[in-house]
Amino acid sequence: DVKVTQSSRYLVKRTGEKVFLECVQDMDHENMFWYRQDPGLGLRLIYFSYDVKMKEKGDIPEGYSVSREKKERFSLILESASTNQTSMYLCASTGRRETQYFGPGTRLLVL
Amino acid sequence: AQSVTQPDIHITVSEGASLELRCNYSYGATPYLFWYVQSPGQGLQLLLKYFSGDTLVQGIKGFEAEFKRSQSSFNLRKPSVHWSDAAEYFCAVGTTYNQGGKLIFGQGTELSVKP
Repeated sequence: DVKVTQSSRYLVKRTGEKVFLECVQDMDHENMFWYRQDPGLGLRLIYFSYDVKMKEKGDIPEGYSVSREKKERFSLILESASTNQTSMYLCASTGRRETQYFGPGTRLLVL
Repeated sequence: AQSVTQPDIHITVSEGASLELRCNYSYGATPYLFWYVQSPGQGLQLLLKYFSGDTLVQGIKGFEAEFKRSQSSFNLRKPSVHWSDAAEYFCAVGTTYNQGGKLIFGQGTELSVKP
């Protein structure tokens, strides 16, 4: 079974803090994704990566950066957290024919 | 540009009743199509997927979906809903050429089940 894990299920941070969200997959997948999910807006793609050290902006990259130093790990970084980044963050990796496998999500609250 | 529309934001059905969740997509070629389910506070779980071949696809938990090219639809169905089916359901479309595995998701349909 594919397993995608995320470092935290719940996180509370202060405005201005630097926040790291980590995602690890164990299936040697090339492609990995970060989404945020907000009520009424569905899933919005923040960044994705199709190889180590490669990244591409998604639909809403502002305020975020990513890092992919190893194939299995894809990190999302909030350089200076703001209250409007309070959200559910979902990581996914892609298997055969673009089937995405999701982690359990991190619910981030920025105070 | 590809897009996915789920016209129903929220649906309520009685336990034991049949269910159909609608999904329409916009894409020029034959797409890859997916349905995912998300229980409260959880990640998304794949219910079923369509790549080619038989247009009626069977998935987990008794769900099925039918690809209708003429209607650009991929509706999800279940003959008898259980209380545990209450969740949010997402339809998604992928392309038949490599775009880095990107999917376009619909806005989701929240399903409530009445006892």
